[in-house]
Amino acid sequence: LAKTTQPISMDSYEGQEVNITCSHNNIATNDYITWYQQFPSQGPRFIIQGYKTKVTNEVASLFIPADRKSSTLSLPRVSLSDTAVYYCLVGDILTGGGNKLTFGTGTQLKVEL
Amino acid sequence: NAGVMQNPRHLVRRRGQEARLRCSPMKGHSHVYWYRQLPEEGLKFMVYLQKENIIDESGMPKERFSAEFPKEGPSILRIQQVVRGDSAAYFCASSLTATDTQYFGPGTRLTVL
Repeated sequence: LAKTTQPISMDSYEGQEVNITCSHNNIATNDYITWYQQFPSQGPRFIIQGYKTKVTNEVASLFIPADRKSSTLSLPRVSLSDTAVYYCLVGDILTGGGNKLTFGTGTQLKVEL
Repeated sequence: NAGVMQNPRHLVRRRGQEARLRCSPMKGHSHVYWYRQLPEEGLKFMVYLQKENIIDESGMPKERFSAEFPKEGPSILRIQQVVRGDSAAYFCASSLTATDTQYFGPGTRLTVL
């Protein structure tokens, strides 16, 4: 399982774009990159997943360079409710083998007025 | 479509008692995962089950912990003779197939007195 490194914390203000970068230097060919969001006393919530280039959905974008050794989660125009811990995960998805997610300590994002 | 359900949400046990944590996966999901989260840490994988089968229990402590996912009913994580170190949040996740996104429940917070 590839190890990930991300900043421990980030601060932002409402309306700003927030970019959280995750390093995964030993990512394997079969690995996908997944981001989860967790609020206090709640389970992680899936945000976005990608393999390469760029993925966008209604809440975020995920940028993955060609070498896939890092990825950046982009949250457009954050609000106070985006204050949470964000986890970057790299998982080996093998048919029939399950996806044993490995969570690091995540990035605590704090959004202020 | 209801999400992953876990109960109880909070469980208090005295040392030496048994704890039973229940997880009902999302409708149609037959893959269940259990994770443990200690304070200020990320989630740690414990076990992966598919209906009536344990697929991967590499994260389960060798003693006192067991998990099942019967043909009918919820998945159960059982901790016998609990100790204070078992105090943590236990999260269950489910997925449609082994390679699909995992969706998490709200967790059970176990406190051992």
